[in-house]
Amino acid sequence: NAGVTQTPKFQVLKTGQSMTLQCAQDMNHNSMYWYRQDPGMGLRLIYYSASEGTTDKGEVPNGYNVSRLNKREFSLRLESAAPSQTSVYFCASSVGPVTEAFFGQGTRLTVV
Amino acid sequence: KNQVEQSPQSLIILEGKNCTLQCNYTVSPFSNLRWYKQDTGRGPVSLTIMTFSENTKSNGRYTATLDADTKQSSLHITASQLSDSASYICVVSPYYGNNRLAFGKGNQVVVIP
Repeated sequence: NAGVTQTPKFQVLKTGQSMTLQCAQDMNHNSMYWYRQDPGMGLRLIYYSASEGTTDKGEVPNGYNVSRLNKREFSLRLESAAPSQTSVYFCASSVGPVTEAFFGQGTRLTVV
Repeated sequence: KNQVEQSPQSLIILEGKNCTLQCNYTVSPFSNLRWYKQDTGRGPVSLTIMTFSENTKSNGRYTATLDADTKQSSLHITASQLSDSASYICVVSPYYGNNRLAFGKGNQVVVIP
């Protein structure tokens, strides 16, 4: 049972490059989330998807786009990477908005 | 203003000793309060989840308490082990859901032999 799987685990981008972070869960969860974690700060919500076919902005959505491809997969896209987007990104999923969330292993992204 | 404040920010404890981590929150009303453990370079893993009506919940050597009146929670680690070295994150889920969990910055615990 894999849980929440994120790819890639590490990535280095040049300013202005684009990339997509992939996330898949095998727990049949309805809700999926993308967070970023920066030193000295709590996790901050970028986007979430309450159910297949819906997405909503979180606390820090600027510079990102998301796609809920199906119930299993939720991708995060950086169209034009900036150094301020250097961070560790976590995908998470849960049955619903108030139930326990399960996190992936994270993607460490560096933008130079 | 952060809705979840944790203290101490970091602490070092000797293997075998106990420690208590504090979480104060302002989220109201709330649905549940969670404690997560995050090992270095890994994603957070759930330790406990308590609804507003629960006062205590245990998971092995981890015991969480909740006082909804004072809006305080604590996580007690008994007989610490080297593997307890991690960041412990307090998370509050608002009553109305909306998927916007409130995260604390974490308590960094280092257990030394």
